[in-house]
Amino acid sequence: EVQLAESGGGLVQPGGSLRLSCAAFGLTFYDHYMEWVRQAPGKGLEWVGRIRNRSNRNTTEYGASVKGRFTISRDDSKNLLFLQMNSLKTEDTALYFCVRTYLHCSDAGCFDGFDVWGQGTMVAVSS
Amino acid sequence: AIQMTQSPSSLSASVGDRVTITCRASQGIRSELGWYQQKPGKAPKVLIYGASTLQSGVPSRFSGSGSGTDFTLTISSLQPEDFATYYCLQDNSYPRTFGQGTKVEIK
Repeated sequence: EVQLAESGGGLVQPGGSLRLSCAAFGLTFYDHYMEWVRQAPGKGLEWVGRIRNRSNRNTTEYGASVKGRFTISRDDSKNLLFLQMNSLKTEDTALYFCVRTYLHCSDAGCFDGFDVWGQGTMVAVSS
Repeated sequence: AIQMTQSPSSLSASVGDRVTITCRASQGIRSELGWYQQKPGKAPKVLIYGASTLQSGVPSRFSGSGSGTDFTLTISSLQPEDFATYYCLQDNSYPRTFGQGTKVEIK
């Protein structure tokens, strides 16, 4: 069964750091782009960032609100995805989801399908 | 960043109703749009990608249309399990952006 399992969430003070992990099971992890998506309590979904696969040199993209503070990385040998979060702010409080991207490519182009999601890990930033 | 505006933000409907949710992009995004369903306490689930292609396993009562800036998600006959929040997501450019969500509630 294809599964993603996040860990590492918790309570941290403003200005602090936290590292989230996501373990992947049942999929060819190295082949896929991976994302982080977050959801503040009672709010909508916010895309955090992406890491491409090794064929695309594991390059990354980030949302404006986290760029320069968060870093996404991966260890394909262990099927692990990471989110290093520095200089945390109260507005970073959210449930963080690890997501697999399936790229649907045809003559019409390539389309993202965020088709496998973890259960999320909660990050609370508060003094 | 491309802004995605969904409407309505919420709606009440009955089982069997036809439901339409719209998503407007602040600039043209071709057909690079997906639709996601989220139930309370659960992770989202992809319904549609490429504006109109149904994800494998998703019931055919769901359909998507549109291109450019205006998109629609239609549920042809609402079922009890469809009461949820729906989000659009543009994958035309970075940063990826979601709509604010449409909550579909029981009338």
